[in-house]
Amino acid sequence: SAVISQKPSRDICQRGTSLTIQCQVDSQVTMMFWYRQQPGQSLTLIATANQGSEATYESGFVIDKFPISRPNLTFSTLTVSNMSPEDSSIYLCSVRARENEQFFGPGTRLTVL
Amino acid sequence: GQNIDQPTEMTATEGAIVQINCTYQTSGFNGLFWYQQHAGEAPTFLSYNVLDGLEEKGRFSSFLSRSKGYSYLLLKELQMKDSASYLCAAMDSNYQLIWGAGTKLIIKP
Repeated sequence: SAVISQKPSRDICQRGTSLTIQCQVDSQVTMMFWYRQQPGQSLTLIATANQGSEATYESGFVIDKFPISRPNLTFSTLTVSNMSPEDSSIYLCSVRARENEQFFGPGTRLTVL
Repeated sequence: GQNIDQPTEMTATEGAIVQINCTYQTSGFNGLFWYQQHAGEAPTFLSYNVLDGLEEKGRFSSFLSRSKGYSYLLLKELQMKDSASYLCAAMDSNYQLIWGAGTKLIIKP
């Protein structure tokens, strides 16, 4: 399985500011994803991070609010821009390895005041 | 539309067996996943079934019936540490995961 690390593990931010979350994988992977999980709810896919091109966003998520970078096959960043308390959530990086197995990073717990 | 159904909550006794069911409706199908998620932690991959039948991994087994759109996760010899949410997810024709809301499993001594 792939080993995934995320930074920061948690943060408390002020309304109107931005936070960039980093995701590092220990091996090259084709597919990387960013999810959000709000308290007591299941996972919601924000976007697919594409290496060398713009991310593919799901309905309800836009690049201006959640810009994503994917400079290579082992690294990606997600920025949560102009934050509001509604953005308080756990943000999860995920990668797909062999045979469609999909693994998750430890998550970033974001609280917006 | 695409839909995953699983029970919201289940309770079982330490040492016993529990079966968590999941039914799915997706546009195309490329496999069924089960994840375990402890409170405050990220989901941990448990199993992936793409063919019909039962796959066993230690105390955990996962079953799939594609014709019925049905899967279950079977946990044997339950331990207190098995208390967690169990997420069912089906992969559609676009290789996107469609997630269930999760089943919270409570283990009692």
